[in-house]
Amino acid sequence: EDKVVQSPLSLVVHEGDTVTLNCSYEVTNFRSLLWYKQEKKAPTFLFMLTSSGIEKKSGRLSSILDKKELFSILNITATQTGDSAIYLCAVVSSYQLIWGAGTKLIIKP
Amino acid sequence: DGGITQSPKYLFRKEGQNVTLSCEQNLNHDAMYWYRQDPGQGLRLIYYSQIVNDFQKGDIAEGYSVSREKKESFPLTVTSAQKNPTAFYLCASSIGDTSTDTQYFGPGTRLTVL
Repeated sequence: EDKVVQSPLSLVVHEGDTVTLNCSYEVTNFRSLLWYKQEKKAPTFLFMLTSSGIEKKSGRLSSILDKKELFSILNITATQTGDSAIYLCAVVSSYQLIWGAGTKLIIKP
Repeated sequence: DGGITQSPKYLFRKEGQNVTLSCEQNLNHDAMYWYRQDPGQGLRLIYYSQIVNDFQKGDIAEGYSVSREKKESFPLTVTSAQKNPTAFYLCASSIGDTSTDTQYFGPGTRLTVL
């Protein structure tokens, strides 16, 4: 059965800390892995990863995919209170889009 | 099993036709949502419903219509007025509609207009 597992489910850190969010998957016919940030009603697209070992960066956020070990990480450095959100990982296969449960990140001032 | 189902997975329609996408959830969630995803882009909100018999437009509601007659069902109709309907459509639900409520997504329907 295809599945996407995110960890931790929730995380509380202080402003300025660096966090690493994990997403592991078991999916047949893998095509790509997506990261989203959900603050309000519509999740915001962050990254799409298709190749192993190539880091994608956007400001303080970065992500990398390991297709051999079947996981991806999302790093956020120098966290700010505005980073508080639910971070969603999803994997695209030939047949479907499989979502993880999300990691709820809370940044304390 | 609890979850959200969408049908069909793949849908083809001719230009000028209306088509309805199904979304059903057995999670007893009050809130339901419809999103559209285009290649290389993030999700965009079409409509959402916080409670039965009530729904609100999202960011890109033009050319779409919805109904929420039952708590577990939130069908989306793509009308002929939608100028560029070919896309991947995702349905989601959450317990409530606050920003901290996790949205659970269905597997999606890929609509292609021929």
